[in-house]
Amino acid sequence: QVKLLESGGGVVQPGGSLRLSCAASGFRFSDYGMHWVRQAPGRGLEWVTFIRFNGTKTFYADSVKGRFTISRDNAKDTLYLQMTSLRAEDTGLYFCATSRLDYWGQGIVVTVSS
Amino acid sequence: AIQMTQSPSSLSASVGDRVTITCRASQGIGHDLGWFQQEPGKAPKGLIYETSNLYSGVPSRFSANGSGTDFVFTISSLQPEDFATYYCLQDYSWPWTFGQGTQVDMK
Repeated sequence: QVKLLESGGGVVQPGGSLRLSCAASGFRFSDYGMHWVRQAPGRGLEWVTFIRFNGTKTFYADSVKGRFTISRDNAKDTLYLQMTSLRAEDTGLYFCATSRLDYWGQGIVVTVSS
Repeated sequence: AIQMTQSPSSLSASVGDRVTITCRASQGIGHDLGWFQQEPGKAPKGLIYETSNLYSGVPSRFSANGSGTDFVFTISSLQPEDFATYYCLQDYSWPWTFGQGTQVDMK
C-alpha cells in the first residue's frame, strides 16, 4: 500500500535552516508529482509547494518563495523540502502528499523558536 | 493568488442532519475545486476532486457541485465519524489555495 513517511523536523532558531524528507513506498514514485502542505498550530491548511514527477517544474506559495526549495530523488523514492531563513510563522506540521492529494504522510513538526 | 472563502467557519449539527458548506473563489476557477476532511491531529483526507467526483472509498453521503466562483459541499446525513474540519482547495492555478476551513461539531 502507499506509504509516505516524513522526517527531519525539529526545533530551529529564527533565520536557521532545516531539510525535510518524505520517503515514499507502495507506488511508482517517479511517475507522480508531489506536494508539501503545512498547518500552523490551531490554524488551517496551507499549500506550500509542488514538484512535477521528473523535477523539471516547481511551484511555491508566496509565503515561502525564495526561502524554500522542493526537490526529489527518484532513484531513492524521496521528496525533500529545504527550508532556509526560517521564521516563527513557519512553525507547524508539514505533510507531504501525492499529486492528486489522495495520499498523505502523517506529518512532521517544525518549530522555529529562539 | 486566488482567495478561497468558506462559510460558515463553524457549525453545530446532530447525527442525521444535512450539512452544507459553501466555498467562494475570488475569481473563476472552472470546476477545479476539491474538498478535504481533517480530524484533529491527523492528516487530511481527500473526499471530492474536480468539484463533484468522489475519491475512491468515499461514502456517497458526501457530494458537491458548483462552477466558476461558487461551490457547495453537502453531507446528506451526518454520521458520528463526520465530525471534523472540512476544507476546500482550488487547483485551477498556482499557487493552490485552501479555504480557511469549516469545523463541524456536535450540537
